[in-house]
Amino acid sequence: DIQMTQSPSTLSASVGDRVTITCRASQSIGYWLAWYQQKPGKAPMLLIYETSTLQSGVPSRFSGSRSGTEFTLTISSLQPDDFATYYCQHYDDYPWTFGQGTKVEI
Amino acid sequence: QVQLVQSGAEVKKPGASVKVSCKASGYTFTSHHMHWVRQAPGQGFEWIGILNPNDGSRRYAQNFQGRVTVTRDTSTNTVYMELSSLRSEDTAVYYCARVGGLTFDYWGQGTLVTVSS
Repeated sequence: DIQMTQSPSTLSASVGDRVTITCRASQSIGYWLAWYQQKPGKAPMLLIYETSTLQSGVPSRFSGSRSGTEFTLTISSLQPDDFATYYCQHYDDYPWTFGQGTKVEI
Repeated sequence: QVQLVQSGAEVKKPGASVKVSCKASGYTFTSHHMHWVRQAPGQGFEWIGILNPNDGSRRYAQNFQGRVTVTRDTSTNTVYMELSSLRSEDTAVYYCARVGGLTFDYWGQGTLVTVSS
């Protein structure tokens, strides 16, 4: 199985900060990586797919990039609604696996 | 609009089975694969399996082989996930998730399954 290693596990930030979350795949997954946001008690919401494509309706302050097997989610200017947990997920081959999550807190 | 509405919370004893439903609406049911994923309390996500509603074909994660069955009813646009021989470690929120494009674009609201004696 492909392992997804996400860091950091917790991130403390303030409104207006630039925030970066990293996800490393244990082997090549091409561009087949998605990012989700999850708030307590809710289902995840798709933010980005295919490494860097923004899902419809997602604010442009979210962006994604890739360098080899390392993927990055960047929030350019953190907003109050962005405090949540973020997960990466690959869909290169089955089983699809997720990172362990990054909680972005105040 | 696309909606995935799951059945309500369940409490089961160890060794029992549970069947969770996911009713889809707002799109052509047979045009999108459906997956099941679970999230243990305070933990990350674990992929369970996939169903093609068009032909009923499915594939399961190795960890669940022999214990899980995913089915569908095209007359009601509903997908089911049945997990048997439940143990305490199966306590989790179970989600159905639709594939749009290539990955999950819509999720159900989740169903909490609690396994406790």
